[in-house]
Amino acid sequence: DTAVSQTPKYLVTQMGNDKSIKCEQNLGHDTMYWYKQDSKKFLKIMFSYNNKELIINETVPNRFSPKSPDKAHLNLHINSLELGDSAVYFCASSPGGQNQPQHFGDGTRLSIL
Amino acid sequence: GDSVTQMEGPVTLSEEAFLTINCTYTATGYPSLFWYVQYPGEGLQLLLKATKADDKGSNKGFEATYRKETTSFHLEKGSVQVSDSAVYFCALRFSGNTPLVFGKGTRLSVIA
Repeated sequence: DTAVSQTPKYLVTQMGNDKSIKCEQNLGHDTMYWYKQDSKKFLKIMFSYNNKELIINETVPNRFSPKSPDKAHLNLHINSLELGDSAVYFCASSPGGQNQPQHFGDGTRLSIL
Repeated sequence: GDSVTQMEGPVTLSEEAFLTINCTYTATGYPSLFWYVQYPGEGLQLLLKATKADDKGSNKGFEATYRKETTSFHLEKGSVQVSDSAVYFCALRFSGNTPLVFGKGTRLSVIA
């Protein structure tokens, strides 16, 4: 009965490869997010989707492409992986309303060799 | 732009000590304020929140009060336990569809 689930939990791959991270939420929330957490634990928003529509795209390279097939899923595809992409990526979701907290997945630790 | 500033860590305390982690924010308007906690190897969990001035959020012995006059939301706990060792993030949010703006996180280590 996990609320926000991400797969895989760990991803180790070579530079230049293409990889995807999947995220699903069973909370019925309208909005989903991807955050990147760097080695110093700093969290930064990458993308935000509301009802399958992109509403926020921070200054993220074009190599990162989110895809939302329905409002319960927000997947992240990364092309031509670079060393600097090594980080923990968190998916989150929230209902509407400023006062509502976001619910986070457990994260995907991406390591580029 | 909107931002959150937290005290730099790491913070190391003995069990049963008093904890304060400072958090101040810069924002136009009145955001909702949150504290999240990240235990080792896990995702972020909501610890507490406050949605308007003078609100106090509390959970698991932790408290924080939304102070509009000082734009602060300091986290406190009267007696920490080893199990409180984690990274704590202060965050703010405006409208319903906007992402959280996080502080840089403060690592707390509690030793027995």
